[in-house]
Amino acid sequence: EAQVTQNPRYLITVTGKKLTVTCSQNMNHEYMSWYRQDPGLGLRQIYYSMNVEVTDKGDVPEGYKVSRKEKRNFPLILESPSPNQTSLYFCASSFRGRPAFFGQGTRLTVV
Amino acid sequence: GQQLNQSPQSMFIQEGEDVSMNCTSSSIFNTWLWYKQDPGEGPVLLIALYKAGELTSNGRLTAQFGITRKDSFLNISASIPSDVGIYFCAGQRRAGGTSYGKLTFGQGTILTVHP
Repeated sequence: EAQVTQNPRYLITVTGKKLTVTCSQNMNHEYMSWYRQDPGLGLRQIYYSMNVEVTDKGDVPEGYKVSRKEKRNFPLILESPSPNQTSLYFCASSFRGRPAFFGQGTRLTVV
Repeated sequence: GQQLNQSPQSMFIQEGEDVSMNCTSSSIFNTWLWYKQDPGEGPVLLIALYKAGELTSNGRLTAQFGITRKDSFLNISASIPSDVGIYFCAGQRRAGGTSYGKLTFGQGTILTVHP
């Protein structure tokens, strides 16, 4: 089954404690991205990757890092999480120019 | 970063009624997409529009790509309780540039359907 898998689904952490949210897709998509969803703001792109070892900032990259060492994986790293990073996060993947498939989301709470 | 203006923000309707929502942008997109998000899930694609003026249906859903490429609408006919959720429009630019895969989203329309 074609899917984008994120882990964990729920995470509560404390300010400053580094965390990683994993994302994996099994569709051989070249394009992957991370979005955060906040009430009244829709989804906003954090980082994207056009292929292995090619990543770039989206609209709201501050406080986040990503890496793309393999085509199927695109982890999101928060080196020092802060409460304003409490949000719902989605990973997405797509072929060039085609609609994106989304993961099920990771609800992160930073206290 | 740019966002799309999506309206209405929320709708409360009776089962069987038709629903209409729309998105506008200050800039052109080459593709318009409509997604639905159920509680606790990620967005799922409903309809993709690739040409200006295109009108596409998917069951009870109909969407149109505006002639100016700066707007799109989604209609749902004869709504049912399982239509409940958040509907998002998204614009995407042409493949080939560095931003080809990026989706710019509207704020979402929260739909509630009363039985």
